[in-house]
Amino acid sequence: DQQVKQNSPSLSVQEGRISILNCDYTNSMFDYFLWYKKYPAEGPTFLISISSIKDKNEDGRFTVFLNKSAKHLSLHIVPSQPGDSAVYFCAASQINEKLTFGTGTRLTIIP
Amino acid sequence: DVKVTQSSRYLVKRTGEKVFLECVQDMDHENMFWYRQDPGLGLRLIYFSYDVKMKEKGDIPEGYSVSREKKERFSLILESASTNQTSMYLCASSLISDTQYFGPGTRLTVL
Repeated sequence: DQQVKQNSPSLSVQEGRISILNCDYTNSMFDYFLWYKKYPAEGPTFLISISSIKDKNEDGRFTVFLNKSAKHLSLHIVPSQPGDSAVYFCAASQINEKLTFGTGTRLTIIP
Repeated sequence: DVKVTQSSRYLVKRTGEKVFLECVQDMDHENMFWYRQDPGLGLRLIYFSYDVKMKEKGDIPEGYSVSREKKERFSLILESASTNQTSMYLCASSLISDTQYFGPGTRLTVL
């Protein structure tokens, strides 16, 4: 039972445009959400997070939006840069519980 | 700056061998985790530990065991390696209820 889903395995975006990565979850008890970025042959690195008491969190070029009623979160990257090409994982958890990861979306930025 | 290190980046073993994967973190984190990453399946939790000598099964513990004798070190053991355990293995650590930080990963091939 996949509680966290990333339905797009891959996404290609022109450099300078906006990249939007989506994530859906089924467990309404999740209250903390994160995005990780992973380059090949490296471990995932933390990108940005949001708690369920917020609907938006911004950090530089990265913004995460949370829609609790739709059980949906998205990551916006503006403007997209070649170094953003990576696999992006969303993850969710309840307080003091383990993270559940999605299957990942491979983002390719086209110069 | 959090540092999580893993003993090997690449490892090749034969079916039936006993395999040890070591993970060390230098930030005095209580929590440590072992995941495997496979294409199309995302990150799946094998085992985790909230304290020294304490371990909890994750989502896919079969065929694995762990050891945590010291706070900074968390070992993953494959008692008898099989070809379906060929994967990227990722270790992570965190403070209680906080973001997980990952090591660089170990690419294990079982022949």
